[in-house]
Amino acid sequence: DVQVTQSPSSLSASVGDTVTITCRASQSIMNFVNWYQHKPGKPPQLLISSASTLQPGMPSRFSGSGSGTEFTLSISNLQPEDFVTYFCQQAFSLPLTFGGGTTVDLK
Amino acid sequence: QVHLVESGGGVVRPGTSLRLSCEASGFTSVNYETFSNYGMHWVRQAPGRGLEWLTFISYDGSNQYYADSVKGRATISRDNSKNTVTLQIDSLRLEDTAVYHCAKDALRYISSSGSPFDYWGLGTLVIVSS
Repeated sequence: DVQVTQSPSSLSASVGDTVTITCRASQSIMNFVNWYQHKPGKPPQLLISSASTLQPGMPSRFSGSGSGTEFTLSISNLQPEDFVTYFCQQAFSLPLTFGGGTTVDLK
Repeated sequence: QVHLVESGGGVVRPGTSLRLSCEASGFTSVNYETFSNYGMHWVRQAPGRGLEWLTFISYDGSNQYYADSVKGRATISRDNSKNTVTLQIDSLRLEDTAVYHCAKDALRYISSSGSPFDYWGLGTLVIVSS
């Protein structure tokens, strides 16, 4: 099974800051990483697919990069609605596995 | 806009069975946008823990895969005429307590891994307690 380690588990930031979240896979998974945003009381929303493809309708301040075993989600110019939880998922092989999530809160 | 709604959760005794359903709506039938073109998954989140993928059924129901934690105890099925996917779990254990979500593949005609999820349901809570 592919293990996915996401860090940090939480971070504090201010509006306008840039933050980076990392996911590391236990083996190469090419670019089969997806990032989701999860707001309280709502289903998770696909943010970035295939490591770097921003989904339609998602703001351009979100970006993803990486391949192989290391992947990053960057959020620039943090907005108030961005202070929620983010998690990664590997879709390279079954069983699909998820990072533990990162909660971004207001400093 | 596709909408997924899970049902069937509740409080159940260890050793018993539970049947969860996920109903999908919002498919337009335009540009091959029909439920029957997409694989479906169940994912759960136990209290204080991360997301755990449980099972997948391919768009046509011909392939099913299970996580080791439920293999042999769970059965996923779908009814494309009713836009529903069902998860039955037998021999429930305390550690099956979780919120159970269904999720839809973003890509059509996937028979295994490879697709992100473009829609999730809010989930249904299952509590296994004696």
